[in-house]
Amino acid sequence: AQSVTQPDIHITVSEGASLELRCNYSYGATPYLFWYVQSPGQGLQLLLKYFSGDTLVQGIKGFEAEFKRSQSSFNLRKPSVHWSDAAEYFCAVAARGTGGFKTIFGAGTRLFVKA
Amino acid sequence: EAQVTQNPRYLITVTGKKLTVTCSQNMNHEYMSWYRQDPGLGLRQIYYSMNVEVTDKGDVPEGYKVSRKEKRNFPLILESPSPNQTSLYFCASSSVPGTSGSSSYEQYFGPGTRLTVT
Repeated sequence: AQSVTQPDIHITVSEGASLELRCNYSYGATPYLFWYVQSPGQGLQLLLKYFSGDTLVQGIKGFEAEFKRSQSSFNLRKPSVHWSDAAEYFCAVAARGTGGFKTIFGAGTRLFVKA
Repeated sequence: EAQVTQNPRYLITVTGKKLTVTCSQNMNHEYMSWYRQDPGLGLRQIYYSMNVEVTDKGDVPEGYKVSRKEKRNFPLILESPSPNQTSLYFCASSSVPGTSGSSSYEQYFGPGTRLTVT
């Protein structure tokens, strides 16, 4: 069965420090991969996506992610975190189901930023 | 403005009283979906629809119904709500790869509906 694992429930980093959020997926073929961000009390916004081609993808707000097929991973990175990045981050996979494409989300990683 | 709208945004109801949460998108998207978000569980897909009259179950469909009679609308129906359906619900839409020049299931989310069933 398809699944998405985000091993870290929460992470705390200092402002200006680098960030890496981990995501591992289980799927038989190459899925569509996404990272979404949810600020407190808000809906979800797409940060970036991968479906083919260059395995390093750039997103909004200075985020990037790297697809590693051998590790079934799609980790999110940012070189220098800003206080406004404090939010919850979700990794997601779109995988083929019986009637089309199902979407599976990880449980999320909450990012805290220290001043 | 491209958007997904949901109504109502907040709803408190009692066990067994049928309710409908509406979802509408103005982007001519083929794909629409409903999710519930619960603490520590992330978002779980309830139902999705690839196009008009084409729907399928997600991971947690029990207790919910959907219909897709028009491309823009995808209402979520709770025939007999129970307290375990208290949650934050999101509707989302996206284009389908290969249509309208789209390349992936990049989803646009509505603002959410917070439902409490007592």
